[in-house]
Amino acid sequence: QSVLTQPPSVSGAPGQRVTISCTGSSSNIGAGYDVHWYQQLPGTAPKLLIYANSNRPSGVPDRFSGSKSGTSASLAITGLQAEDEADYYCQSYDSSLSAYNYVFGTGTKVTVL
Amino acid sequence: QVQLQESGPGLVKPSQTLSLTCTVSGGSISSGSYYWSWIRQPAGKALEWIGRVYTGGSTNYNPSLESRVTISVDTSKNQFSLKLSSVTAADAAVYYCAREPYYDNSGQFDSWGQGTLVTVSS
Repeated sequence: QSVLTQPPSVSGAPGQRVTISCTGSSSNIGAGYDVHWYQQLPGTAPKLLIYANSNRPSGVPDRFSGSKSGTSASLAITGLQAEDEADYYCQSYDSSLSAYNYVFGTGTKVTVL
Repeated sequence: QVQLQESGPGLVKPSQTLSLTCTVSGGSISSGSYYWSWIRQPAGKALEWIGRVYTGGSTNYNPSLESRVTISVDTSKNQFSLKLSSVTAADAAVYYCAREPYYDNSGQFDSWGQGTLVTVSS
């Protein structure tokens, strides 16, 4: 049961810009905890795409960007490419159960039309 | 370049204990620079964090699984392990091991194993 909600799917034509939202609450994103984003290509392990809300690991194209505001975060992909077709997950820390707990989003499938 | 590789039985009977090992290569698990986690993903579903271990053996577990989970580290073999007891069909998933940097306390998983599929069936 994911506590971070994402849209099930988003789509766009090559070259377009798409955004994926990640909605949390006052016990996770709204409490100031960092949000991270992962890209999971079909049949592969997740790959870190954005860390600490808006930072890109070395090797990740600058077409990917992240932001956070209030109880939500967003991932934007500009100049959409066919190779971006994948599942995307947000992740944060949640303090609601008074125990250490990382939580993931429900996941969003990006389709390149 | 660190690499993580999961290993263990791909089939576990209901009510038994699932046991997996993650072997770390290209870096020392005892460096103290990372936490080491297990994460799972049922088919077609989202990722779920199971728990983590630090070099000295300290652990944190997902509250929803804590009563059934044990994660341990073997620095001599550069490995860490997962044990999940009393498994049911709901525990069938791809299990990943992953690395979390210790230094910035931000909580991201920057390196992952390829994953291993575990089926629960009699």
